[in-house]
Amino acid sequence: GQNIDQPTEMTATEGAIVQINCTYQTSGFNGLFWYQQHAGEAPTFLSYNVLDGLEEKGRFSSFLSRSKGYSYLLLKELQMKDSASYLCAVRDSNYQLIWGAGTKLIIKP
Amino acid sequence: GAVVSQHPSRVICKSGTSVKIECRSLDFQATTMFWYRQFPKQSLMLMATSNEGSKATYEQGVEKDKFLINHASLTLSTLTVTSAHPEDSSFYICSAKGGRDYEQYFGPGTRLTVT
Repeated sequence: GQNIDQPTEMTATEGAIVQINCTYQTSGFNGLFWYQQHAGEAPTFLSYNVLDGLEEKGRFSSFLSRSKGYSYLLLKELQMKDSASYLCAVRDSNYQLIWGAGTKLIIKP
Repeated sequence: GAVVSQHPSRVICKSGTSVKIECRSLDFQATTMFWYRQFPKQSLMLMATSNEGSKATYEQGVEKDKFLINHASLTLSTLTVTSAHPEDSSFYICSAKGGRDYEQYFGPGTRLTVT
């Protein structure tokens, strides 16, 4: 079966760095996505990785290792507004998005 | 990024009635739109994939006669929840596939409450 695993909840301090991991087992791979979702709102696109390596976009970076079925989202200089759920999604061989359950990130002052 | 709108943002309806939710891509043509449902503290569940001008493809377990999807133009898709029941209460989110292959933009979502 297809499976996306990510931690249920993480806590970090304002100004610090946090890494949210995602491991996946899917039938085929056509890209990995990270989305941010604030409570009661729809997800917003953060990053897309299809090749191995690190993609940096401002305070957020996303890493992919296809051989390990592994990705992480790195958030630097954490701000209170970064408190949200972070969803990892993998596009499989049918170009369908398989979603993780999301990681709730709690930022403390 | 591209903008996708949904209307209404919130709706309360009585059991047995039907509700229509609209999803529009405002600044790009969306050949493919997706409808998701999300229950509290759970991840997104794909309900159906909708291609302009053709019938929607429903995921296993989603009743196509209950959740009617119409994608009549490149900028508009509608989801109609027919004969709504309280268990249909959920957060319904649409997304539209943009011009570049990897982009998928989400609407703001519609919170449906069936009483």
